[in-house]
Amino acid sequence: GAVVSQHPSWVICKSGTSVKIECRSLDFQATTMFWYRQFPKQSLMLMATSNEGSKATYEQGVEKDKFLINHASLTLSTLTVTSAHPEDSSFYICSASTSGRTYEQYFGPGTRLTVT
Amino acid sequence: GQNIDQPTEMTATEGAIVQINCTYQTSGFNGLFWYQQHAGEAPTFLSYNVLDGLEEKGRFSSFLSRSKGYSYLLLKELQMKDSASYLCAVRDPGTASKLTFGTGTRLQVTL
Repeated sequence: GAVVSQHPSWVICKSGTSVKIECRSLDFQATTMFWYRQFPKQSLMLMATSNEGSKATYEQGVEKDKFLINHASLTLSTLTVTSAHPEDSSFYICSASTSGRTYEQYFGPGTRLTVT
Repeated sequence: GQNIDQPTEMTATEGAIVQINCTYQTSGFNGLFWYQQHAGEAPTFLSYNVLDGLEEKGRFSSFLSRSKGYSYLLLKELQMKDSASYLCAVRDPGTASKLTFGTGTRLQVTL
């Protein structure tokens, strides 16, 4: 149980275009979802926290107008990278937690974004 | 602020025991997690400590001292598949399960 999926697993886009990444909890309802970014050989950096039906809370230094997060249902959150630039190339990972298991986050397999 | 430190890289021999340390200075604390991450993959949960002491789970054990802001992950009977990054993360008490990750330790297991 507690499976989280992400789609796509990898994507290549041209500079200036937008890319949407989906994060789904497959067998549980995720009251909270988290979006992380990870650059090569670095640790995970939290970008934002989203709760179903409310606006996401962004970490300091993360542009909310560039990284649009929508958490429309208890099983789906989306991250849209708008007007992508090469420096946005990274590994994006989502995780989900549920109110029933407050101490553990379940991570998705990640999405590798390359902006050319 | 949040400051979580780990050694950057470690090397150990197959069959041996290795200890990966994590020190933290955070504005709040509500538990410490250890995750394993293979290259290009998502982190997988290894252990969770919220009280002082040792938690054992098979070949993996994790220790916590809240007064010292210190934890370690102990891996026994190392196998080649244990070559991965190991991430220490502290949970924020202000939010249900917001995590701040440490710098991560890349472990290389050799023959």
